[in-house]
Amino acid sequence: QKEVEQDPGPLSVPEGAIVSLNCTYSNSAFQYFMWYRQYSRKGPELLMYTYSSGNKEDGRFTAQVDKSSKYISLFIRDSQPSDSATYLCAMSVGNEKLTFGTGTRLTIIP
Amino acid sequence: EPEVTQTPSHQVTQMGQEVILRCVPISNHLYFYWYRQILGQKVEFLVSFYNNEISEKSEIFDDQFSVERPDGSNFTLKIRSTKLEDSAMYFCASSEGGSSVGYTFGSGTRLTVV
Repeated sequence: QKEVEQDPGPLSVPEGAIVSLNCTYSNSAFQYFMWYRQYSRKGPELLMYTYSSGNKEDGRFTAQVDKSSKYISLFIRDSQPSDSATYLCAMSVGNEKLTFGTGTRLTIIP
Repeated sequence: EPEVTQTPSHQVTQMGQEVILRCVPISNHLYFYWYRQILGQKVEFLVSFYNNEISEKSEIFDDQFSVERPDGSNFTLKIRSTKLEDSAMYFCASSEGGSSVGYTFGSGTRLTVV
């Protein structure tokens, strides 16, 4: 079983729709959870980071962590064509290395 | 907004040659990292560097790899004898507080070994 699993997509949704992106993980020691956005041939860009179970909101983005299910989600409201990118989940045990998912390629159709 | 700068953006090298990838982290950051991403695969950890020493390294980071912070601003990754399988995008990252608060990544250096 992979440490972090993420559906690679591709995922296409119409502009304005709510997007749901998910990751599951197997290592119960993970404490910190992040979402990165990566445009083609660019470095990952940090969108949100969270600690422990619960929700965190930032503008159109909401990150959700369910540690009991080992499941994290990112929701994007009112999706825009500029949101088209690959979304990477990442997690760590304390300040140790980040372990990334494979990324989900998202396209928002105008 | 502060950013992590990587040079060169693309490097082509012959197998067996040494390459040095350069990074200028964000000035007040204390933690520095190298990750790589082989085309179509996930981002993989190579090494972390804190307080002028390696704090963690992966199995990938073998004796062919080394890192250095030669002055107060640069952070370099050296691959001594490149192999075809070293071809990848190499990302430098820095962080103020470590993995728990996330990193700022550079735009990467695309290394092609021929």
